[in-house]
Amino acid sequence: QSVLTQPPSVSGAPGQRVTISCTGSSSNIGAGYDVQWYLQLPGTAPKLLIYGNNNRPSGVPDRFSGSKSGTSASLAITGLQADDEADYYCQTYDRGLIAWVFGEGTKLTVL
Amino acid sequence: EVQLVESGGHLVQPGGSLKLSCAASGFTFSGSAIHWVRQASGKGLEWVGRIRSKANNYAPAYGVSVTGRCTVSRDDLKNTAYLQLDSLRTEDTAVYYCTRHVEENSGYFDYWGQGLLVTVSS
Repeated sequence: QSVLTQPPSVSGAPGQRVTISCTGSSSNIGAGYDVQWYLQLPGTAPKLLIYGNNNRPSGVPDRFSGSKSGTSASLAITGLQADDEADYYCQTYDRGLIAWVFGEGTKLTVL
Repeated sequence: EVQLVESGGHLVQPGGSLKLSCAASGFTFSGSAIHWVRQASGKGLEWVGRIRSKANNYAPAYGVSVTGRCTVSRDDLKNTAYLQLDSLRTEDTAVYYCTRHVEENSGYFDYWGQGLLVTVSS
Protein backbone atom coordinates (compact mmCIF):
# COMPACT_ATOMS: atom_id res chain seq x y z
CA GLN A 1 0.00 0.00 0.00
CA SER A 2 1.44 3.31 -1.13
CA VAL A 3 1.84 6.36 1.09
CA LEU A 4 0.28 8.37 -1.75
CA THR A 5 -3.39 7.61 -2.36
CA GLN A 6 -4.93 7.95 -5.80
CA PRO A 7 -8.35 6.85 -7.02
CA PRO A 8 -8.05 3.54 -8.88
CA SER A 9 -9.96 4.91 -11.85
CA VAL A 10 -11.53 8.01 -13.33
CA SER A 11 -13.43 8.48 -16.54
CA GLY A 12 -14.76 11.22 -18.76
CA ALA A 13 -16.19 11.85 -22.17
CA PRO A 14 -14.17 13.41 -24.97
CA GLY A 15 -13.84 17.14 -24.47
CA GLN A 16 -14.60 16.99 -20.77
CA ARG A 17 -12.37 17.86 -17.83
CA VAL A 18 -11.21 15.29 -15.32
CA THR A 19 -9.10 15.55 -12.22
CA ILE A 20 -6.98 12.95 -10.46
CA SER A 21 -6.18 13.42 -6.80
CA CYS A 22 -3.08 12.37 -4.90
CA THR A 23 -3.30 12.42 -1.12
CA GLY A 24 -0.18 12.20 0.99
CA SER A 25 0.85 13.23 4.47
CA SER A 26 3.05 15.54 6.49
CA SER A 27 6.01 13.29 5.67
CA ASN A 28 5.83 13.88 1.95
CA ILE A 29 3.56 16.34 0.14
CA GLY A 30 2.77 18.21 3.35
CA ALA A 31 6.48 18.51 4.10
CA GLY A 32 6.88 20.74 1.06
CA TYR A 33 8.26 18.26 -1.42
CA ASP A 34 7.30 18.77 -5.02
CA VAL A 35 4.81 16.49 -6.71
CA GLN A 36 5.33 15.04 -10.15
CA TRP A 37 2.88 13.30 -12.46
CA TYR A 38 3.69 10.56 -14.96
CA LEU A 39 1.62 9.03 -17.72
CA GLN A 40 2.06 5.39 -18.66
CA LEU A 41 0.60 3.74 -21.72
CA PRO A 42 0.30 -0.07 -21.67
CA GLY A 43 3.62 -1.79 -22.21
CA THR A 44 5.62 1.42 -22.22
CA ALA A 45 7.80 3.32 -19.78
CA PRO A 46 6.34 6.14 -17.69
CA LYS A 47 6.55 9.59 -19.21
CA LEU A 48 6.99 12.79 -17.22
CA LEU A 49 3.85 14.92 -17.48
CA ILE A 50 4.15 17.49 -14.69
CA TYR A 51 7.14 18.34 -12.49
CA GLY A 52 7.56 20.71 -9.59
CA ASN A 53 3.81 20.60 -8.86
CA ASN A 54 2.69 22.57 -11.90
CA ASN A 55 5.38 22.67 -14.57
CA ARG A 56 5.06 20.97 -17.95
CA PRO A 57 8.09 19.59 -19.78
CA SER A 58 8.52 20.71 -23.34
CA GLY A 59 6.02 18.99 -25.60
CA VAL A 60 3.33 18.36 -22.99
CA PRO A 61 0.11 20.13 -24.01
CA ASP A 62 -1.31 22.81 -21.75
CA ARG A 63 -4.43 20.66 -21.40
CA PHE A 64 -2.50 19.06 -18.55
CA SER A 65 -2.03 21.02 -15.34
CA GLY A 66 -1.02 20.28 -11.79
CA SER A 67 -1.70 21.82 -8.43
CA LYS A 68 -0.76 21.19 -4.84
CA SER A 69 -2.30 22.23 -1.54
CA GLY A 70 -1.48 21.03 1.92
CA THR A 71 -0.98 17.28 1.86
CA SER A 72 -2.62 16.75 -1.52
CA ALA A 73 -2.02 17.36 -5.18
CA SER A 74 -4.16 17.13 -8.29
CA LEU A 75 -3.74 16.60 -11.98
CA ALA A 76 -6.32 18.19 -14.25
CA ILE A 77 -6.85 17.23 -17.86
CA THR A 78 -9.08 19.41 -20.00
CA GLY A 79 -10.39 18.75 -23.48
CA LEU A 80 -10.18 15.01 -22.91
CA GLN A 81 -9.00 13.01 -25.92
CA ALA A 82 -9.12 9.30 -26.67
CA ASP A 83 -5.36 8.97 -26.54
CA ASP A 84 -5.30 10.35 -22.99
CA GLU A 85 -6.38 6.87 -21.91
CA ALA A 86 -3.53 5.69 -19.74
CA ASP A 87 -2.39 5.11 -16.20
CA TYR A 88 -1.37 8.21 -14.26
CA TYR A 89 0.97 8.22 -11.28
CA CYS A 90 1.85 10.93 -8.80
CA GLN A 91 5.31 10.93 -7.22
CA THR A 92 7.21 12.77 -4.51
CA TYR A 93 9.77 12.21 -1.78
CA ASP A 94 8.98 10.92 1.70
CA ARG A 95 11.32 12.06 4.45
CA GLY A 96 10.06 9.48 6.92
CA LEU A 97 10.72 6.59 4.57
CA ILE A 98 13.80 8.32 3.11
CA ALA A 99 12.53 7.21 -0.26
CA TRP A 100 11.02 8.43 -3.47
CA VAL A 101 7.42 7.32 -3.56
CA PHE A 102 4.73 6.84 -6.17
CA GLY A 103 0.99 6.77 -5.91
CA GLU A 104 -0.83 3.56 -6.69
CA GLY A 105 -1.83 4.85 -10.09
CA THR A 106 -5.11 5.93 -11.65
CA LYS A 107 -6.52 4.43 -14.81
CA LEU A 108 -8.15 7.06 -16.99
CA THR A 109 -10.88 5.84 -19.31
CA VAL A 110 -12.19 8.05 -22.08
CA LEU A 111 -15.82 7.08 -22.62
CA GLU B 1 18.66 12.54 -28.07
CA VAL B 2 18.64 11.20 -24.52
CA GLN B 3 18.56 7.42 -24.33
CA LEU B 4 18.64 4.95 -21.48
CA VAL B 5 18.85 1.27 -22.43
CA GLU B 6 18.58 -1.50 -19.87
CA SER B 7 20.10 -4.95 -20.36
CA GLY B 8 20.75 -8.13 -18.39
CA GLY B 9 18.46 -10.15 -16.12
CA HIS B 10 15.67 -12.18 -17.79
CA LEU B 11 14.97 -15.49 -15.97
CA VAL B 12 16.66 -16.04 -12.61
CA GLN B 13 16.12 -18.70 -9.95
CA PRO B 14 14.99 -17.81 -6.43
CA GLY B 15 17.97 -17.18 -4.22
CA GLY B 16 20.07 -16.16 -7.19
CA SER B 17 21.46 -12.81 -8.23
CA LEU B 18 21.04 -10.47 -11.15
CA LYS B 19 22.94 -7.51 -12.43
CA LEU B 20 21.19 -5.08 -14.72
CA SER B 21 22.94 -2.47 -16.81
CA CYS B 22 21.65 0.91 -17.92
CA ALA B 23 23.57 2.40 -20.83
CA ALA B 24 23.08 6.14 -21.23
CA SER B 25 23.65 8.53 -24.08
CA GLY B 26 22.68 12.02 -25.16
CA PHE B 27 23.43 13.80 -21.89
CA THR B 28 26.22 14.33 -19.37
CA PHE B 29 25.92 11.00 -17.62
CA SER B 30 28.69 11.68 -15.12
CA GLY B 31 26.79 14.62 -13.69
CA SER B 32 23.47 12.85 -13.31
CA ALA B 33 21.89 10.73 -10.62
CA ILE B 34 20.39 7.49 -11.88
CA HIS B 35 17.52 5.74 -10.17
CA TRP B 36 15.97 2.33 -10.62
CA VAL B 37 12.20 1.82 -10.49
CA ARG B 38 10.35 -1.44 -10.92
CA GLN B 39 6.82 -2.49 -11.75
CA ALA B 40 5.31 -5.88 -11.12
CA SER B 41 2.77 -7.04 -13.64
CA GLY B 42 -0.47 -5.13 -13.22
CA LYS B 43 0.93 -3.16 -10.30
CA GLY B 44 2.20 0.34 -9.68
CA LEU B 45 5.67 1.83 -9.73
CA GLU B 46 8.07 1.04 -6.90
CA TRP B 47 11.29 2.94 -6.30
CA VAL B 48 14.22 0.55 -5.93
CA GLY B 49 17.42 2.52 -5.58
CA ARG B 50 19.66 5.38 -6.62
CA ILE B 51 23.23 6.31 -7.27
CA ARG B 52 24.31 9.93 -7.33
CA SER B 53 27.12 11.51 -9.29
CA LYS B 54 30.80 11.68 -8.39
CA ALA B 55 30.27 15.26 -7.22
CA ASN B 56 27.82 13.84 -4.70
CA ASN B 57 30.16 11.02 -3.66
CA TYR B 58 28.31 8.36 -5.65
CA ALA B 59 25.87 8.22 -2.73
CA PRO B 60 23.57 5.22 -2.95
CA ALA B 61 20.10 4.81 -1.51
CA TYR B 62 17.76 1.85 -1.46
CA GLY B 63 14.10 1.11 -1.09
CA VAL B 64 12.89 -0.80 1.95
CA SER B 65 12.02 -3.94 0.01
CA VAL B 66 15.56 -4.34 -1.36
CA THR B 67 17.71 -2.92 1.43
CA GLY B 68 20.48 -5.34 2.29
CA ARG B 69 20.11 -7.20 -1.02
CA CYS B 70 20.75 -4.41 -3.49
CA THR B 71 23.83 -2.60 -4.77
CA VAL B 72 23.75 0.27 -7.23
CA SER B 73 26.92 1.33 -8.99
CA ARG B 74 28.11 3.19 -12.06
CA ASP B 75 30.98 3.46 -14.51
CA ASP B 76 31.15 7.02 -15.79
CA LEU B 77 33.73 6.06 -18.42
CA LYS B 78 31.21 3.67 -19.93
CA ASN B 79 28.19 5.93 -19.28
CA THR B 80 26.55 2.96 -17.60
CA ALA B 81 24.77 2.40 -14.31
CA TYR B 82 24.23 -0.97 -12.68
CA LEU B 83 21.74 -2.57 -10.33
CA GLN B 84 22.70 -5.77 -8.56
CA LEU B 85 20.05 -7.61 -6.62
CA ASP B 86 20.91 -10.66 -4.53
CA SER B 87 18.89 -13.32 -2.68
CA LEU B 88 16.19 -12.96 -5.29
CA ARG B 89 12.59 -13.70 -4.37
CA THR B 90 9.62 -14.40 -6.58
CA GLU B 91 8.25 -10.99 -5.56
CA ASP B 92 11.24 -9.36 -7.27
CA THR B 93 9.66 -10.36 -10.59
CA ALA B 94 8.99 -7.09 -12.37
CA VAL B 95 9.89 -4.78 -15.21
CA TYR B 96 12.91 -2.78 -14.11
CA TYR B 97 13.43 0.76 -15.39
CA CYS B 98 16.43 3.01 -15.03
CA THR B 99 15.66 6.70 -15.04
CA ARG B 100 17.55 9.97 -14.91
CA HIS B 101 16.86 12.05 -11.84
CA VAL B 102 16.88 15.83 -11.95
CA GLU B 103 17.84 16.91 -8.46
CA GLU B 104 15.65 19.93 -7.80
CA ASN B 105 13.83 19.92 -4.45
CA SER B 106 12.53 16.37 -4.25
CA GLY B 107 13.58 15.87 -7.84
CA TYR B 108 11.89 14.29 -10.79
CA PHE B 109 12.52 11.56 -13.33
CA ASP B 110 12.67 13.08 -16.77
CA TYR B 111 13.99 10.26 -18.95
CA TRP B 112 13.30 6.56 -18.63
CA GLY B 113 14.67 3.42 -20.20
CA GLN B 114 12.36 1.11 -22.09
CA GLY B 115 12.27 -1.35 -19.19
CA LEU B 116 13.57 -4.87 -18.74
CA LEU B 117 11.51 -7.82 -17.57
CA VAL B 118 13.11 -9.86 -14.82
CA THR B 119 11.41 -13.11 -13.88
CA VAL B 120 12.36 -14.90 -10.67
CA SER B 121 11.16 -18.47 -10.92
CA SER B 122 12.39 -22.02 -10.52
